[in-house]
Amino acid sequence: EVQLVESGGGLVKPGGSLRLSCAASGFTFSSYSMNWVRQAPGKGLEWVSSISSSSSYIYYADSVKGRFTISRDNAKNSLYLQMNSLRAEDTAVYYCARVGTMIVVVGGWFDPWGQGTLVTVSS
Amino acid sequence: EIVMTQSPATLSVSPGERATLSCRASQSVSSNLAWYQQKPGQAPRLLIYGASTRATGIPARFSGSGSGTEFTLTISSLQSEDFAVYYCQQYNNWPQTFGQGTKLEIK
Repeated sequence: EVQLVESGGGLVKPGGSLRLSCAASGFTFSSYSMNWVRQAPGKGLEWVSSISSSSSYIYYADSVKGRFTISRDNAKNSLYLQMNSLRAEDTAVYYCARVGTMIVVVGGWFDPWGQGTLVTVSS
Repeated sequence: EIVMTQSPATLSVSPGERATLSCRASQSVSSNLAWYQQKPGQAPRLLIYGASTRATGIPARFSGSGSGTEFTLTISSLQSEDFAVYYCQQYNNWPQTFGQGTKLEIK
């Protein structure tokens, strides 16, 4: 069974940092690009960042560019999101999502999704 | 950035009836469009990709159509478990963008 499990969320003060992790299992992690998508409380979905299978291609939303860093460790079947200079507007559930197909280098539909981890930025 | 606009924001339909949800892109996304279903407290679930291909395990009552800038998700006969929020997503251009969602509620 394909499974994605996020961890690392929590309460952090504005300007602080947090590192999210996503543990993958049930598929060949090194063959798929991966993504982070977030959802602010009561709001819609917002794509955050994507990374290709070999980390050669990385994309960020403008709202997080320069503050967040996506990375992966294929040996550990893990995806990461380092979040620095956090702001109140970064408060959201952060989902890890696999791209739906190995055919594309990066980009595409998201399937499956993890259960999410909540990040709260507040003083 | 491509803006995805979903309509209506809320749709009230009775069980057993058909529901039609719309998604419009501010510029052509070809057929690079996906639909997701999200229930309260749960992660989104992929329903449709490539505008019209059902994901694995998705019932045949869900169908997608359209290309370019106009897309439709149709649920042919609503079941109780279908009442949820539905999002469209374009993956033709960076940044990938989602619509704001359509809440499908029981009439």
